[in-house]
Amino acid sequence: DVKVTQSSRYLVKRTGEKVFLECVQDMDHENMFWYRQDPGLGLRLIYFSYDVKMKEKGDIPEGYSVSREKKERFSLILESASTNQTSMYLCASSFMGWFISRQQNSTDTQYFGPGTRLTVL
Amino acid sequence: QQPVQSPQAVILREGEDAVINCSSSKALYSVHWYRQKHGEAPVFLMILLKGGEQKGHEKISASFNEKKQQSSLYLTASQLSYSGTYFCGTEYAGGTSYGKLTFGQGTILTVHP
Repeated sequence: DVKVTQSSRYLVKRTGEKVFLECVQDMDHENMFWYRQDPGLGLRLIYFSYDVKMKEKGDIPEGYSVSREKKERFSLILESASTNQTSMYLCASSFMGWFISRQQNSTDTQYFGPGTRLTVL
Repeated sequence: QQPVQSPQAVILREGEDAVINCSSSKALYSVHWYRQKHGEAPVFLMILLKGGEQKGHEKISASFNEKKQQSSLYLTASQLSYSGTYFCGTEYAGGTSYGKLTFGQGTILTVHP
């Protein structure tokens, strides 16, 4: 079974603090993703990574950065936390690289971690 | 731009059927359906890859109309365990999406005894 773990289930931080959220997957997946989930808005992509040290901005990258030094680990960083970053953060990973998926006319699902509920006071 | 799901919420009694729709303004390569129960991670249900493809999983099935850029999820003879929020994730055709999914806002399904 694929396992995606996140460092904390609940986190409370103060405005202005630097916050690190960590995600680890154990299945040698190529792609990793960070989403935030807010009521009525669904899941919105913050950043994703398709290889070690490679990253791409998602739909709402402002106020966030990411790091992927090892294939299995993808970190989300809030440089200076603000109250509007209070949310549920979900990490996901998927196996198939984009090029192979298009070549094989296939695709792969994303496997989600349990989420981190972050509250910024 | 996010795909649009409809309805936003639906309430059923056990044994009733429901349809959840997911519409995109852009051409689609694939549609992924997930269910999320309160306080848990989204769980994968199925992927639809080719236009016109239909897939089934017990009493939950889905279709993908590539021309209309939409997918529908069909839940028949609903059970209490079907309650949760259903999301469609769309992968756009063309470009270099790197397996990126854009999710709809979700449909809350509640099944009562």
